[in-house]
Parts: sequence; structure tokens; C-alpha cells
Amino acid sequence: GNSVTQMEGPVTLSEEAFLTINCTYTATGYPSLFWYVQYPGEGLQLLLKATKADDKGSNKGFEATYRKETTSFHLEKGSVQVSDSAVYFCALRSISSGSARQLTFGSGTQLTVLP
Amino acid sequence: EAGVAQSPRYKIIEKRQSVAFWCNPISGHATLYWYQQILGQGPKLLIQFQNNGVVDDSQLPKDRFSAERLKGVDSTLKIQPAKLEDSAVYLCASSVDRDRAHEYFGPGTRLLVL
Repeated sequence: GNSVTQMEGPVTLSEEAFLTINCTYTATGYPSLFWYVQYPGEGLQLLLKATKADDKGSNKGFEATYRKETTSFHLEKGSVQVSDSAVYFCALRSISSGSARQLTFGSGTQLTVLP
Repeated sequence: EAGVAQSPRYKIIEKRQSVAFWCNPISGHATLYWYQQILGQGPKLLIQFQNNGVVDDSQLPKDRFSAERLKGVDSTLKIQPAKLEDSAVYLCASSVDRDRAHEYFGPGTRLLVL
């Protein structure tokens, strides 16, 4: 079945530091890959996505590249801000039929950025 | 555009009691999802509706959980009787249709079972 393995947290960085959150996956077929962010007290929001190999998703300074050869989708940001403090979830959706269409999430990584 | 609405935001009950959660999806969204998010884990899909029909409920504990989506709009998720391990955040999400990848999530209902 489908699964997502995400870097263990929590992660604490100083403002303007470089961020990497690792994500690897196992899936049937050719999945679409996502990063969601959950700010305190709010629902999950789509941060970025990539639908095929070598695609790069980007949004708000965050980037992630779909690497089929390493089955990875690592999240990066060159300079984090205090406002980036949140929980980040890597997820996949397989394009095969049936129940595999559902989103499968990683366990989440708590990011805290200190001023 | 209004987002996905959920109520209540918080609920505390004792084990063996019953509880219900309500979700109002984004207007025009045909697909509605209920997820369970246990502390420290990612969300897990419980049930998916397409309009008022169930598409996938393979991970719904049907001996105690039930859900309905009358008229293909609002939805309710019920737990009866609740167990300690049901303590979690229950997230509702909606999307334009089941083939679109982008789901919009509500703020969730945090349930504590004592």
C-alpha cells in the first residue's frame, strides 16, 4: 500500500536559516505529491504540489522537487521567517483507481522559527 | 469565498457517550471527506462522499462510527459509543470533485474522551 515517511521533528531554527524537511514515499503507479501546512488553530492548507517526475512545486519561498529515482519530495526554503512556524505534512495521492485515490499523509514535522 | 465550516470546535465527553460533528463544505464542492487526526500523526481518511453517496468508507469503524451527507451538502459524523482511543481531531475537507487533487480543509473538531 501507499505510505509516506517524513523527517522526525520538532525542528527549531533561527530566523533566516535554511530549511529542509525530508519526505520519502512508497506508492503504486505514479502518485501526485503534496506539502500541506497547518498553522496553530487552523485547518490544513495546501502549500505546494507536483504531479509528475522532475516537477518542482513552489509557493511562498518554499520548494520541493518530485524525485522518482529516490522516491523523495523534500521541502526546502532558503530563509525561514517566524511566521513559517507551523506543522508541515507531506502527502501523496496515487492516480490508480479505487481507494488508492485518497490522500496518504506523513506524520508531520513541527517547525519553530525563533527571532 | 467562505471556507469549510465545522462545529463544534471542541468537545469533551466520557467514554460510552455519543457525539456528533457537523461540516458545511465549500459551496459547489461535490466531494466531501472526513479525516481522523490522532495527536502526533497525519490525518487518516475515514469516509469520502461524492454528492450524497459514499465512495470510500473502508477505514471507518462501522461498529461505532456513522456518517451521512443529506442532500449532498452538509455532513454529520457520529460516534456511538465513544472510546478513549477516539480522542483526536476530526477534519472535514471538500473538493470540486473526486478527480481533483486539491482538497480544502476545515479547522477541525478536537474531541477528548475521558
